[in-house]
Amino acid sequence: GQQLNQSPQSMFIQEGEDVSMNCTSSSIFNTWLWYKQDPGEGPVLLIALYKAGELTSNGRLTAQFGITRKDSFLNISASIPSDVGIYFCAGLIEGAQKLVFGQGTRLTINP
Amino acid sequence: NAGVTQTPKFQVLKTGQSMTLQCAQDMNHEYMSWYRQDPGMGLRLIHYSVGAGITDQGEVPNGYNVSRSTTEDFPLRLLSAAPSQTSVYFCASSYSAASAVYEQYFGPGTRLTVT
Repeated sequence: GQQLNQSPQSMFIQEGEDVSMNCTSSSIFNTWLWYKQDPGEGPVLLIALYKAGELTSNGRLTAQFGITRKDSFLNISASIPSDVGIYFCAGLIEGAQKLVFGQGTRLTINP
Repeated sequence: NAGVTQTPKFQVLKTGQSMTLQCAQDMNHEYMSWYRQDPGMGLRLIHYSVGAGITDQGEVPNGYNVSRSTTEDFPLRLLSAAPSQTSVYFCASSYSAASAVYEQYFGPGTRLTVT
């Protein structure tokens, strides 16, 4: 099946630092999504991207839909303790009714 | 609205036992899906439904059955539990198949252990 490679798998940063993570695929996607999962909870949608080159922000979060349609990036600026969690990318191939998820990036913040 | 609800929250089964994980949503969503989450594997789609009476297989359907007799409910049945089915299971729903992938609401999950 389709694969999404998400990196890094984990990050350990200091509070206040910026964070970058990305997802790549050998397949072309027409939608990219970024979710956050807190411990013991289900994933929550952060940002949705629908066009190649699209750059969308949600507060301190910014995500981009890669021009090749095979990758996407998520940046978090000025990290705070509540940013801790697992971040997932997910993609949709045109005409499909199923999301493909990346393996997740676990973010840990040292105060 | 309660959103997407899942029961039970925790379950321990012995190998060979069967059980049903319940999922319900009160948002009149057409699209519902089941995922399993394993360490380092992200979320993998088990089965999904684009409306009452319609179901289809996802990435990892073996060992699981689903049915969709109503819009609100989408139960997941484990026919004969195996240790490989130890996982956290999430149900998700969306307004319609066309918007399924960007407005999916997830339930709180069911943590299943098979011994």
